Amino acid sequence: KNQVEQSPQSLIILEGKNCTLQCNYTVSPFSNLRWYKQDTGRGPVSLTIMTFSENTKSNGRYTATLDADTKQSSLHITASQLSDSASYICVVSVKSNNDMRFGAGTRLTVKP
Amino acid sequence: NAGVMQNPRHLVRRRGQEARLRCSPMKGHSHVYWYRQLPEEGLKFMVYLQKENIIDESGMPKERFSAEFPKEGPSILRIQQVVRGDSAAYFCASSPQQNNEQFFGPGTRLTVL
Repeated sequence: KNQVEQSPQSLIILEGKNCTLQCNYTVSPFSNLRWYKQDTGRGPVSLTIMTFSENTKSNGRYTATLDADTKQSSLHITASQLSDSASYICVVSVKSNNDMRFGAGTRLTVKP
Repeated sequence: NAGVMQNPRHLVRRRGQEARLRCSPMKGHSHVYWYRQLPEEGLKFMVYLQKENIIDESGMPKERFSAEFPKEGPSILRIQQVVRGDSAAYFCASSPQQNNEQFFGPGTRLTVL
């Protein structure tokens, strides 16, 4: 069983709408959690990074939240644009050796 | 400052041939990581290297796969006697130190016929 579970697997929304992607993890001990955006045919690009003590981090229209007690994170996208169509990957690092555990990603499609 | 560079971007091989994938890290980065991504799946860690040293190869298949990061030149991921199941996107990432953020390259898409 993957230690990082993302939901939904895929999501289609209309341009201008908001959406929230979920990430649940069992990785322990926890070091940090990153959200990456991966456009089709490209490598992942970091959006946000949060440590244990941070519970929210924003990057433009992207806002990530973290609840280290329940081991849940979310990525909220505001006023979506066509260019937001991509896979969004949640990555959790293990504190002991900084191993990165990747979620399978949520495939977001923004339609006009 | 150029980002992480990978070449070739696309590679087609027949079963039994060898595949060589190259990764040039960002300037100033001495840590390189290789990942494999199968269609519709997440990235899977393969190997972590520093200059001239393999630090962690726990995700690397025991046979046919090898990686190196020489003192001069790019990191190389080598797959011998490729099989159809090796078809995937292979991503390289680099970081300046072990616990720093990793920056990803554009990937090499390997297709085995």
